[in-house]
Amino acid sequence: GQSLEQPSEVTAVEGAIVQINCTYQTSGFYGLSWYQQHDGGAPTFLSYNALDGLEETGRFSSFLSRSDSYGYLLLQELQMKDSASYFCAVRDHYGQNFVFGPGTRLSVLP
Amino acid sequence: EPEVTQTPSHQVTQMGQEVILRCVPISNHLYFYWYRQILGQKVEFLVSFYNNEISEKSEIFDDQFSVERPDGSNFTLKIRSTKLEDSAMYFCASTPSGGINEQFFGPGTRLTVL
Repeated sequence: GQSLEQPSEVTAVEGAIVQINCTYQTSGFYGLSWYQQHDGGAPTFLSYNALDGLEETGRFSSFLSRSDSYGYLLLQELQMKDSASYFCAVRDHYGQNFVFGPGTRLSVLP
Repeated sequence: EPEVTQTPSHQVTQMGQEVILRCVPISNHLYFYWYRQILGQKVEFLVSFYNNEISEKSEIFDDQFSVERPDGSNFTLKIRSTKLEDSAMYFCASTPSGGINEQFFGPGTRLTVL
């Protein structure tokens, strides 16, 4: 089977840094992606890791350790608009679907 | 910027009725997906479609579901006999190739089964 785990909720204040963790157990592994979803909206792609290490895209960074089946999304200089749900997703085969984690609801407080 | 579109934005139907949800993927994309999300829960994979055939489907995608690409632009999800538990947001997504890891999601269709 396939399973992903994420914390259900995270709260932080504007300007802070927050890390959202994801652990996974899948039959194969082709990469770990992160998506942001605002209430009532569609998931939007944030980042992707296929190899170990850190990928940086502006205020967002994503890290992967394949040996630990673990990754995280790091959000810096938090803004109110970052309040949303964040999903990690694993693709276990080329060209196939992504399995999404349960999501982490991030609340950014003033 | 190209985007995935979905119609209708909200569909209300009676239990047992058939519904067709429509999607127009980005024009040069080759892989198409349907996902569903029950309110407050995670995004769940239903089916992927490539080269005019289903490439993978989940346990959720049983005999009451079908997908079709009737022409060069539309990608549809049909639910033959809706159940109350089919009430959810249904998202269509597409990618230009199997090696591209960014899926482009449409805005979703909210299906309400009464």
